[in-house]
Amino acid sequence: NAGVTQTPKFQVLKTGQSMTLQCAQDMNHNSMYWYRQDPGMGLRLIYYSASEGTTDKGEVPNGYNVSRLNKREFSLRLESAAPSQTSVYFCASRALGNGQPQHFGDGTRLSIL
Amino acid sequence: GNSVTQMEGPVTLSEEAFLTINCTYTATGYPSLFWYVQYPGEGLQLLLKATKADDKGSNKGFEATYRKETTSFHLEKGSVQVSDSAVYFCALDYGGSQGNLIFGKGTKLSVKP
Repeated sequence: NAGVTQTPKFQVLKTGQSMTLQCAQDMNHNSMYWYRQDPGMGLRLIYYSASEGTTDKGEVPNGYNVSRLNKREFSLRLESAAPSQTSVYFCASRALGNGQPQHFGDGTRLSIL
Repeated sequence: GNSVTQMEGPVTLSEEAFLTINCTYTATGYPSLFWYVQYPGEGLQLLLKATKADDKGSNKGFEATYRKETTSFHLEKGSVQVSDSAVYFCALDYGGSQGNLIFGKGTKLSVKP
């Protein structure tokens, strides 16, 4: 069972470069999410997609864009990377229904120099 | 607003010691509550959940009871092992259709042999 797959696992960028982080889930989940994890901050929601064709801002959307390509795939784009975007990025998905948990990928570790 | 407060770590225990990690929440309505575990270099994994008051979630020897009167969801384990060393996150789903989670900042547990 693949679950939630994120690519790449590691990436180093220079300031100003652009990058797309890919996420795919094979559980037929309706909702998908992008988080960033920074030391001492827990997880913060960047964007989410409640269903195919919709996207909404989370807590920290500035500097990011997303695309819900289809039900399986939800990508996160950094148009002009900044050092403050150095972080670990997690994608998650969730089935419909009260009390359903989110399922997480293994993360993308992104460093911006 | 909705929030989760989790005891700060790190927590260091000897093998076979009793573990408690405190988690309290603020929420309107009837949230679902979750504990996630993150092992080094990995994504978050669901450890247990509870969807209504007085529910007890349990998994792998860990337990937590949803206490509405004290707005708490403390994580406990009677005898920890070295393999339990990880970061533990308490999370709240406040019941919106999006299934968005609010996370505590995480508690790092180290278990020494």
